[in-house]
Amino acid sequence: GAVVSQHPSRVICKSGTSVKIECRSLDFQATTMFWYRQFPKQSLMLMATSNEGSKATYEQGVEKDKFLINHASLTLSTLTVTSAHPEDSSFYICSARDLSPGGWNEQFFGPGTRLTVL
Amino acid sequence: RKEVEQDPGPFNVPEGATVAFNCTYSNSASQSFFWYRQDCRKEPKLLMSVYSSGNEDGRFTAQLNRASQYISLLIRDSKLSDSATYLCVVNVASGSARQLTFGSGTQLTVLP
Repeated sequence: GAVVSQHPSRVICKSGTSVKIECRSLDFQATTMFWYRQFPKQSLMLMATSNEGSKATYEQGVEKDKFLINHASLTLSTLTVTSAHPEDSSFYICSARDLSPGGWNEQFFGPGTRLTVL
Repeated sequence: RKEVEQDPGPFNVPEGATVAFNCTYSNSASQSFFWYRQDCRKEPKLLMSVYSSGNEDGRFTAQLNRASQYISLLIRDSKLSDSATYLCVVNVASGSARQLTFGSGTQLTVLP
């Protein structure tokens, strides 16, 4: 199946710093990528939909100025958590949809990035 | 009310047991339905799609009842490796995009 990578897999940072997370589709092109956040024992919550060449669409309650999304190419989307605080500590997961014929039904998930803000 | 609701469990069952998970969804416009599996500290992975006629993949059987907005997953002859969290996922069209909405998951532990 299609592969989506994320980098870094884990990051620990001090409060107030900014953290950038990369999401790459390795063997297919993705005009749309999704960013999710998952707190312990909770479901994945969609944060935003990242669109190549245009602005991201943010879900209600997600601050676009705090979570900056850039989708610069068909294989790369980045999420920057600006001025991170301890409450931003979470598991961040990206996903991409394979747009090849017959592939639209499945989204492939990256391995996730575990962010801990001290 | 949550868009996708699942019994959180945990379900602790012996090897070889049959276990069933249930899920309900609130948006009647939902178009596609899936079961994902998520291992601890890992990303979710697609287990199977769920079709209106019901479908089976080896030991796994999925059922969908659109009238009741209800989805189920049956696992027969449980293996230790089936231990994971099972996520009920619903695909709703939102404008030109399709979005996956996840249930909070049902935790399964298969015991030796």
